[in-house]
Amino acid sequence: ETGVTQTPRHLVMGMTNKKSLKCEQHLGHNAMYWYKQSAKKPLELMFVYSLEERVENNSVPSRFSPECPNSSHLFLHLHTLQPEDSALYLCASSQDPAGESPLHFGNGTRLTVT
Amino acid sequence: KQEVTQIPAALSVPEGENLVLNCSFTDSAIYNLQWFRQDPGKGLTSLLLIQSSQREQTSGRLNASLDKSSGRSTLYIAASQPGDSATYLCAVAGGSQGNLIFGKGTKLSVKP
Repeated sequence: ETGVTQTPRHLVMGMTNKKSLKCEQHLGHNAMYWYKQSAKKPLELMFVYSLEERVENNSVPSRFSPECPNSSHLFLHLHTLQPEDSALYLCASSQDPAGESPLHFGNGTRLTVT
Repeated sequence: KQEVTQIPAALSVPEGENLVLNCSFTDSAIYNLQWFRQDPGKGLTSLLLIQSSQREQTSGRLNASLDKSSGRSTLYIAASQPGDSATYLCAVAGGSQGNLIFGKGTKLSVKP
């Protein structure tokens, strides 16, 4: 398997649930990212990890909690979300974290919060 | 604060036409500019990356140009095909690590 794989593809959760999104990259990259894509808004960077250390957190609410156990895996733990958190959550990876190499994206998880 | 604008928001052309998509950005201090394609319900596919020191990049029927001083980039698609139908996103890299700033995209429809 190659590229960036995200699971699940679709997720429906209530506001009191706890769930996790998973991302795995098979490209040998050193940096991984979580982006949020909402309708009619540009992609928003949420978190950046470089060599398993978080290097960017764009003022994301604490109900989103990232985890990067190794350079190939990235998780986004979700708890007590709001309906406005419904969006497409995209994971990406790149060779380096400095924005100097192309990003490779997964197909995303479509999240619906009811 | 960097802002990226893409015009037009949507474009419909007949098959075979050459077309140009526009991207503008407010802060010229960038590392690079990237063009992506997004198909419905899918992630983004990187098309071209232009380093700040470069003026253009080409891949097949695609040509992207960069004019840093004026804060503009164009994506030229030659001999468009129905399979080119997708949303095209422009993003600039600059400032803090890994922070790509995206435009809202141009939704392209190529009619057979």
